[in-house]
Amino acid sequence: GESVGLHLPTLSVQEGDNSIINCAYSNSASDYFIWYKQESGKGPQFIIDIRSNMDKRQGQRVTVLLNKTVKHLSLQIAATQPGDSAVYFCAENTNRGSTLGRLYFGRGTQLTVWP
Amino acid sequence: SAVISQKPSRDICQRGTSLTIQCQVDSQVTMMFWYRQQPGQSLTLIATANQGSEATYESGFVIDKFPISRPNLTFSTLTVSNMSPEDSSIYLCSVEKGWRNEQFFGPGTRLTVL
Repeated sequence: GESVGLHLPTLSVQEGDNSIINCAYSNSASDYFIWYKQESGKGPQFIIDIRSNMDKRQGQRVTVLLNKTVKHLSLQIAATQPGDSAVYFCAENTNRGSTLGRLYFGRGTQLTVWP
Repeated sequence: SAVISQKPSRDICQRGTSLTIQCQVDSQVTMMFWYRQQPGQSLTLIATANQGSEATYESGFVIDKFPISRPNLTFSTLTVSNMSPEDSSIYLCSVEKGWRNEQFFGPGTRLTVL
C-alpha cells in the first residue's frame, strides 16, 4: 500500500489551547484525505475531509490544511477540550469514480488534553 | 450516517480455533470493508466485501485465513481461521455511505488468542 505517516506519535496540550496534528503522505496521486478520531474502545469516527482541489477546509472547531507541494496534511483543533483526547488518524484515498474504496491509514497520534 | 454493530465485542480464543465476527448495518450499503488494528497500531484493510460477488483481499491476506460472507446489503461476516497469537487484534468493519462516500466504522471486535 501507499505510505501515510505521522510526524508525532503523542501530543499533550492544555485545555483551551489549540492543537495541531500533522500527517505526511507519499502518493502524489492521492486526491482525498480524511481525519478520523478514535476514542478508547471505539471505532474511528469521521471528523473532516478534504479533496485535493482544496488547500483548506473548516468544520466546527477543526480545520484541515493540505499542502500538496510537500505532501503534508494537518488537523487543527481550536480550544481543545478534554473530550478531544483520543488517537487521531489521517487516511488517504485515490478516488475511483463514484466510490471511495480503500483507505490507507497513517500511524496515529495520541492527543492528551490536560485540564 | 450509519449505525453499525459488531458481534462479539470481544473474545478470548484458543490457538487453532476459528472465530466468526458479525457486522450489521442499519441500512443497505453496497460496499463493506474489514480492517485489522493490531495493538497500538493503525488500521490495515483486510478485504472489501460487496454483495453478490467474491470479496477482494489486500496483499498479505488470503481467503483461506479470513473467509468473508456478504449475504445481503446489511450484513457481513469475517472468520479468523486457525488462529494464532499473532491474530490478536481489533477487527473492524466499515461501510461506505452518503453522497460524499464517507466511511463509517463499527465499534470493533477485540480478539485475544492464547
